[in-house]
Amino acid sequence: GQNIDQPTEMTATEGAIVQINCTYQTSGFNGLFWYQQHAGEAPTFLSYNVLDGLEEKGRFSSFLSRSKGYSYLLLKELQMKDSASYLCAVRSFNQAGTALIFGKGTTLSVSS
Amino acid sequence: AAGVIQSPRHLIKEKRETATLKCYPIPRHDTVYWYQQGPGQDPQFLISFYEKMQSDKGSIPDRFSAQQFSDYHSELNMSSLELGDSALYFCASSLFGDRGIYEQYFGPGTRLTVT
Repeated sequence: GQNIDQPTEMTATEGAIVQINCTYQTSGFNGLFWYQQHAGEAPTFLSYNVLDGLEEKGRFSSFLSRSKGYSYLLLKELQMKDSASYLCAVRSFNQAGTALIFGKGTTLSVSS
Repeated sequence: AAGVIQSPRHLIKEKRETATLKCYPIPRHDTVYWYQQGPGQDPQFLISFYEKMQSDKGSIPDRFSAQQFSDYHSELNMSSLELGDSALYFCASSLFGDRGIYEQYFGPGTRLTVT
């Protein structure tokens, strides 16, 4: 089976840095994705990790440790528009081929 | 840049009726995925197609079927609708390509309400 865990909610202030953690258990791991989703809108691709290490993309960075089944998304210089749900998703060839298995999402609230 | 197109954006049906949702992937993308997202839930994978052939199957009910046509657009057919089918239905597309990443790009979704 597959289990993806991430915190339900987080809060932070503008300009701050926040780290959203994700742990997963799966067989046939073939990549971890982070998506941002505003309420009622489509998920938007943020980052992808398949090898261990850090991927940086502007204000967003994502880290992966395959041996620990652990990833985090780091958001820097938070802005109000970053208030959204952040979905950790795993691709597992043993489970759903190239489809994504999503975690429950972390709702981030950014305040001024 | 062209994005994934879904139609209709909103659909209201009664119990036991049928519904057809359409998805037009990003040009040159070869894979289409369907996801269902209930209120406050994460997206659940339903089914996918690669080069017009069904590639993977998730938690798609037997009442639902889908196909991908020669122009790569896909349709999700839903019959004997139940109240619990009320959800946002997302279509996503990706390109296998040589990078092996094939991130999925999501359409705006179809909000289905079953009354």
